Amino acid sequence: SQTIHQWPATLVQPVGSPLSLECTVEGTSNPNLYWYRQAAGRGLQLLFYSVGIGQISSEVPQNLSASRPQDRQFILSSKKLLLSDSGFYLCAWRPSGEGGELFFGEGSRLTVL
Amino acid sequence: GEDVEQSLFLSVREGDSSVINCTYTDSSSTYLYWYKQEPGAGLQLLTYIFSNMDMKQDQRLTVLLNKKDKHLSLRIADTQTGDSAIYFCAESRWFKTIFGAGTRLFVKA
Repeated sequence: SQTIHQWPATLVQPVGSPLSLECTVEGTSNPNLYWYRQAAGRGLQLLFYSVGIGQISSEVPQNLSASRPQDRQFILSSKKLLLSDSGFYLCAWRPSGEGGELFFGEGSRLTVL
Repeated sequence: GEDVEQSLFLSVREGDSSVINCTYTDSSSTYLYWYKQEPGAGLQLLTYIFSNMDMKQDQRLTVLLNKKDKHLSLRIADTQTGDSAIYFCAESRWFKTIFGAGTRLFVKA
């Protein structure tokens, strides 16, 4: 069966510090991978998605970046965090192709102080 | 615009029916979804409907789709306190899934 893991679950970072959130999927190959952010009082915003290794599509201009160094690994990064980067970050996957159910990780809560 | 819109809050009494409404924008969307989020957790798919359907029923859940108005609704019959959560409407666009802001459902005992 397929599983998705993301970590860390929670982190508190000072403004200007770097960020690295990791997500891995097991039990499948060539998945579509996604990073979403859920800010307080706001909906679920798509940040990045990838339909193949090394391929990243960015949805919102910001100081975050994503990378897919391996088929089932998706990393969200920042060189310098802003206060507005605080939120709940969710990684998700689904089988390659269009449409279909998204399977979410448990989320990473980031607080920037 | 690109937004999927839904009301932010809904409060019902236990045993009543809940109806959560959503409007989407892309008439070419092939799948429309309802996801549920428990506090502090990720989202889980509750149900979905293909764009060529008008209605789908699954136990206590009924999904209605009005393609002309781009309107989607989720009805939960006999709402229980365990149904308290955030419910997200979503549409698929090519490789992306676009979510609404979520409706927080409060169930009063």
